[in-house]
Amino acid sequence: QSALTQPPSASGSPGQSVTISCTGTSSDVGGYNYVSWYQQHPGKAPKLMIYEVSKRPSGVPDRFSGSKSGNTASLTVSGLQAEDEADYYCNSYASTNNFDVVFGGGTKLTVL
Amino acid sequence: EVQLVESGGGLVQPGGSLRLSCAASGFTVSSNYMSWVRQAPGKGLEWVSVIYSGGSTYYADSVKGRFSISRDNSKNTLYLQMNSLGAEDTAMYYCARGYYYDRIAYPWSFDYWGQGTLVTVSS
Repeated sequence: QSALTQPPSASGSPGQSVTISCTGTSSDVGGYNYVSWYQQHPGKAPKLMIYEVSKRPSGVPDRFSGSKSGNTASLTVSGLQAEDEADYYCNSYASTNNFDVVFGGGTKLTVL
Repeated sequence: EVQLVESGGGLVQPGGSLRLSCAASGFTVSSNYMSWVRQAPGKGLEWVSVIYSGGSTYYADSVKGRFSISRDNSKNTLYLQMNSLGAEDTAMYYCARGYYYDRIAYPWSFDYWGQGTLVTVSS
């Protein structure tokens, strides 16, 4: 069982928007603005898409956006494109130890 | 260009040991927060361990006491020594760099990843 809860799947048609949720607790997602999102294509390493809840690293399209409310963070992909089909993982800093990082179980995004 | 190249994975018997290496180029390992993250076949990501630029180390509860993270500054290489391996440790192991932006560190956000090295624990 993963520390953060994500829906196993999400889908949308090209051009549409889709939102993926990531639910934790006050010890991780709710307690810190340290949520990140990663995109992983099959057989590839993950790619950082969002850090600190809503910030995009250089080179990440602005179609990807992040937000947080309480213990739930969200990733929204707008203007869906075929290449967005991938697995998406959230993670967060957690205060359970001096340093701990928890991941979500991942969401398979399908572009219909 | 930043690159991370893992090696050292393979088939090991339960109870055995293995040492993974992660050779870095394009940046200095000792100046960054470096982590190991693993992914069991068909499963999600799991953070394993981190070494701070200052040398402090931390571990996930699932590997504490069995795994040890270290680095060789002269070789610009990160290591993960894994002992008392069990079937639950079977996974692809990635090394990953903590993100830095505008001189602020985000050790729990990983901006560069290696291609991974597969560890299989089986008799």
